[in-house]
Amino acid sequence: DQQVKQNSPSLSVQEGRISILNCDYTNSMFDYFLWYKKYPAEGPTFLISISSIKDKNEDGRFTVFLNKSAKHLSLHIVPSQPGDSAVYFCAASEYNAGNMLTFGGGTRLMVKP
Amino acid sequence: DGGITQSPKYLFRKEGQNVTLSCEQNLNHDAMYWYRQDPGQGLRLIYYSQIVNDFQKGDIAEGYSVSREKKESFPLTVTSAQKNPTAFYLCASRTGYEQFFGPGTRLTVL
Repeated sequence: DQQVKQNSPSLSVQEGRISILNCDYTNSMFDYFLWYKKYPAEGPTFLISISSIKDKNEDGRFTVFLNKSAKHLSLHIVPSQPGDSAVYFCAASEYNAGNMLTFGGGTRLMVKP
Repeated sequence: DGGITQSPKYLFRKEGQNVTLSCEQNLNHDAMYWYRQDPGQGLRLIYYSQIVNDFQKGDIAEGYSVSREKKESFPLTVTSAQKNPTAFYLCASRTGYEQFFGPGTRLTVL
């Protein structure tokens, strides 16, 4: 029973267009959400996060939206660039569980020039 | 430069042998974690340590062991009891909600 799911294993987008990566969760106790970016044979790097008290957080080309009632979050990348091609993981954390991270299975984003 | 180092980058092991993966951090973080990533899958938690001399099993601890004698170091031993050890292993440390990852070690069992 996966508590965090990324239902799209891959996504292909044209350079300059918007990339939308989705993530669903089941545990209503999650109170903080993070997105990580991972290149092959490297460790994930932190991208952007959002607290459950917010519904949107923006950082440059990256925006994360949180819909608590639907238990859904999404990462928008605008405009998409070829260097954005990587695997993106969403992760969820629960303060009362010691801030452990539960990861989704990842979405491979390919941005075509 | 603050960060997390993992060594070696690539590791080959014969079946039946134990092997230890190194993880060192100079970020002064109390909490450290070990994850395993298999092709096309997410990160699964093996072991974690919230403080020196204390560690807890994660979701897939069987066949693995750890120690946390120093704040900076959290080595992972893959024992011969681990039935499918070939994978990419990631170490992380945490401050607040955010975890910082090392570059990973790819272990291949021959």
